[in-house]
Amino acid sequence: QKEVEQNSGPLSVPEGAIASLNCTYSDRGSQSFFWYRQYSGKSPELIMFIYSNGDKEDGRFTAQLNKASQYVSLLIRDSQPSDSATYLCAVNSRDYKLSFGAGTTVTVRA
Amino acid sequence: DAGITQSPRHKVTETGTPVTLRCHQTENHRYMYWYRQDPGHGLRLIHYSYGVKDTDKGEVSDGYSVSRSKTEDFLLTLESATSSQTSVYFCAIATGQGTEAFFGQGTRLTVV
Repeated sequence: QKEVEQNSGPLSVPEGAIASLNCTYSDRGSQSFFWYRQYSGKSPELIMFIYSNGDKEDGRFTAQLNKASQYVSLLIRDSQPSDSATYLCAVNSRDYKLSFGAGTTVTVRA
Repeated sequence: DAGITQSPRHKVTETGTPVTLRCHQTENHRYMYWYRQDPGHGLRLIHYSYGVKDTDKGEVSDGYSVSRSKTEDFLLTLESATSSQTSVYFCAIATGQGTEAFFGQGTRLTVV
């Protein structure tokens, strides 16, 4: 079982719609959860982090964490063409490892 | 941008030759990571370090070794490069366990 799994995508949404990305993780003791965005040919960049159960909002982005279900999600509201990228879920486990999912590619159609 | 530099940025090498990639940081961060990225696989952890001379294996460590003799440098060595190690390699740094990581620009390695 992979440590971090994401919905495979690709995901295509119209401009202005909500994009929903999901991630599950295997280490129940994980404490820190991150979403990164990666444009083609570029390095990943952090867009959200969440440590506690519940929702965390930052502008058009909302991260949701449910530790009991070992589930993290990212919602992108009012999607823009500039949001077209690959989104990577990352989980920091107890043994210092920072593990990533395979990523979900999002395309926002104008 | 976080002060993190990878070198070289691009390298072509022959099968069987040793290769060393360097990650240099100016942030004095304790944690450093090496990942490889291949289509369909996202970022896969090769090795990581949680302090000087403290390193551990990630999920794809076979064929790779690392060294960290000082805080600012984390070296990744391919002892005998193979074509399966053709990839983009990213280094990342983090201040503490559980904190966000910042990435270098990446190194594109081609083994022919």
